[in-house]
Amino acid sequence: QKEVEQDPGPLSVPEGAIVSLNCTYSNSAFQYFMWYRQYSRKGPELLMYTYSSGNKEDGRFTAQVDKSSKYISLFIRDSQPSDSATYLCAMSATRGSGNTGKLIFGQGTTLQVKP
Amino acid sequence: ETGVTQTPRHLVMGMTNKKSLKCEQHLGHNAMYWYKQSAKKPLELMFVYNFKEQTENNSVPSRFSPECPNSSHLFLHLHTLQPEDSALYLCASSHASGQGLPRAFFGQGTRLTVV
Repeated sequence: QKEVEQDPGPLSVPEGAIVSLNCTYSNSAFQYFMWYRQYSRKGPELLMYTYSSGNKEDGRFTAQVDKSSKYISLFIRDSQPSDSATYLCAMSATRGSGNTGKLIFGQGTTLQVKP
Repeated sequence: ETGVTQTPRHLVMGMTNKKSLKCEQHLGHNAMYWYKQSAKKPLELMFVYNFKEQTENNSVPSRFSPECPNSSHLFLHLHTLQPEDSALYLCASSHASGQGLPRAFFGQGTRLTVV
């Protein structure tokens, strides 16, 4: 079983739609949960992060973590063509008072927002 | 620009060639990483360096040889590669392990093709 599972898509939605992207994981030691966005021919860039459980909102983006279900989500409201990219979830465990620095990534979901 | 620069951006090499990938970061980070990104697969962590010391080797074949002369530079030396090694190789940097959010900044990657 992979430590992090993510549906690769592709996911195609019309402009203005609400997009839901999800990952499941198996390692209960994960405490940091991140979403990276990767445009074509670019490296991934951090979009949002959450520590432990809960929700976090940043503009049109909302990240949710449900540790009891080992399930994380990224919601994009009022999606725009510029949101078309691959979205990767990433997780890291803690060790002691800090973190291991080791990110485990999902496969990435390719999103296309059509005008 | 993310502050992490990789060269070359594209590389085509034969199976008997020797080549090197270079990564440089200007972010003052003390941890550097090599990741491999293949189509339809999650980002795979290859090597981790903290304060120039290798702290992780994720069972990478010996035909990949990393070098970290200082905290700002990271190399990946390649020799006798196989066609299945063709992939996007991403370099990343972050604050060293144990220092808060494991936020990794990625370079744009080197697209490697082994013929």
